[in-house]
Amino acid sequence: DSGVTQTPKHLITATGQRVTLRCSPRSGDLSVYWYQQSLDQGLQFLIQYYNGEERAKGNILERFSAQQFPDLHSELNLSSLELGDSALYFCASSAGAGGYTEAFFGQGTRLTVV
Amino acid sequence: EDKVVQSPLSLVVHEGDTVTLNCSYEVTNFRSLLWYKQEKKAPTFLFMLTSSGIEKKSGRLSSILDKKELFSILNITATQTGDSAVYLCAVGPLTDYKLSFGAGTTVTVRA
Repeated sequence: DSGVTQTPKHLITATGQRVTLRCSPRSGDLSVYWYQQSLDQGLQFLIQYYNGEERAKGNILERFSAQQFPDLHSELNLSSLELGDSALYFCASSAGAGGYTEAFFGQGTRLTVV
Repeated sequence: EDKVVQSPLSLVVHEGDTVTLNCSYEVTNFRSLLWYKQEKKAPTFLFMLTSSGIEKKSGRLSSILDKKELFSILNITATQTGDSAVYLCAVGPLTDYKLSFGAGTTVTVRA
């Protein structure tokens, strides 16, 4: 168990809908990262927050947004869902204070858009 | 754009064999290279390498980084069926905290 908690584990929803994925980082970790893993794309970095502020952005679609709250948990919002958004979404956390440290991954949320 | 290439894409070995996985990278302002093992779900952290030539070892797994030639190797000796997984290589730049992942190497260990 990495200490990173993601909910829900599975989500099935229809095209056009909006969903929210939730992540609680390891105790003490200030950085949260979101990754998307699909069969044909591998692990793709979406976005990173550090202590409540957006720190780095990857190939995140405009339909997707994220935030990190004062208690350091994070949410990834996916809207106007398309079939191609079906993937495993991972959250990872790291201490991230003053330099790069290893990131620990949650178990992921499997999103299926039908 | 950062690039991480892993080879081979997949391999099948028998228990007791040794496997060598390769990871080459091109990244601006390299800071660290990480290896992860992914079985069914979450990638689990194996090693982080930041200095060239220093071998990191954990049991039957070891890894080394060559910063001059921009590659890393992950070795698994005396393989067991529990080593069957996808092994992911990722690089982290100096300037921010995102990781760029390779496509992974699928290792299948047959009894």
